[in-house]
Amino acid sequence: AQSVTQLGSHVSVSEGALVLLRCNYSSSVPPYLFWYVQYPNQGLQLLLKYTSAATLVKGINGFEAEFKKSETSFHLTKPSAHMSDAAEYFCAVSSHSMIYNQGGKLIFGQGTELSVKP
Amino acid sequence: KAGVTQTPRYLIKTRGQQVTLSCSPISGHRSVSWYQQTPGQGLQFLFEYFSETQRNKGNFPGRFSGRQFSNSRSEMNVSTLELGDSALYLCASSLGRRGPNPLDTEAFFGQGTRLTVV
Repeated sequence: AQSVTQLGSHVSVSEGALVLLRCNYSSSVPPYLFWYVQYPNQGLQLLLKYTSAATLVKGINGFEAEFKKSETSFHLTKPSAHMSDAAEYFCAVSSHSMIYNQGGKLIFGQGTELSVKP
Repeated sequence: KAGVTQTPRYLIKTRGQQVTLSCSPISGHRSVSWYQQTPGQGLQFLFEYFSETQRNKGNFPGRFSGRQFSNSRSEMNVSTLELGDSALYLCASSLGRRGPNPLDTEAFFGQGTRLTVV
């Protein structure tokens, strides 16, 4: 079975500060990992994805994430927070075997709400 | 290229009624997945349709059902509504092809339908 744990339901940073949102996964098979962002009353937008190529993945809006197998982590970072980054962020997992057997199912973490202070 | 379109955006229903939500996927996408998002349970997978067939199902009661049409548009139906069904319902479309390329299942989300049951 696969699962995702996001550490911290709320994270608050100052504008210009480093953003670090934590995600740990559990998977018995090599995972595919995703970060999505959700603005209020909106759907989910894909920020970046890890699909077993480079372990450091760059996404949109200056975000990046590093896949660390030894730590089963896929933390999301951004060097300098902007007010427009305030939103909820979701980490999700899928897998090659899941894709083969179960199509497009994603398993999501509980989400982390990011606040950015001026 | 148009994105995923969900209608309506907002719905208010009374307990015991039934409701139908609609999702039009991105042109060329054959897979449509449905998710329920609530503050308590987070994002939970409902089911996935591919080429008019339900390919995968989450752990929801039989009151939740769906279908997909030949043009890949999908509808989700909830019968005998309960207060706990109040949620944001998100649909995601993807190419949906099974195989070694995870990009075939990269999910694009609609803006969701906010259902309130009173």
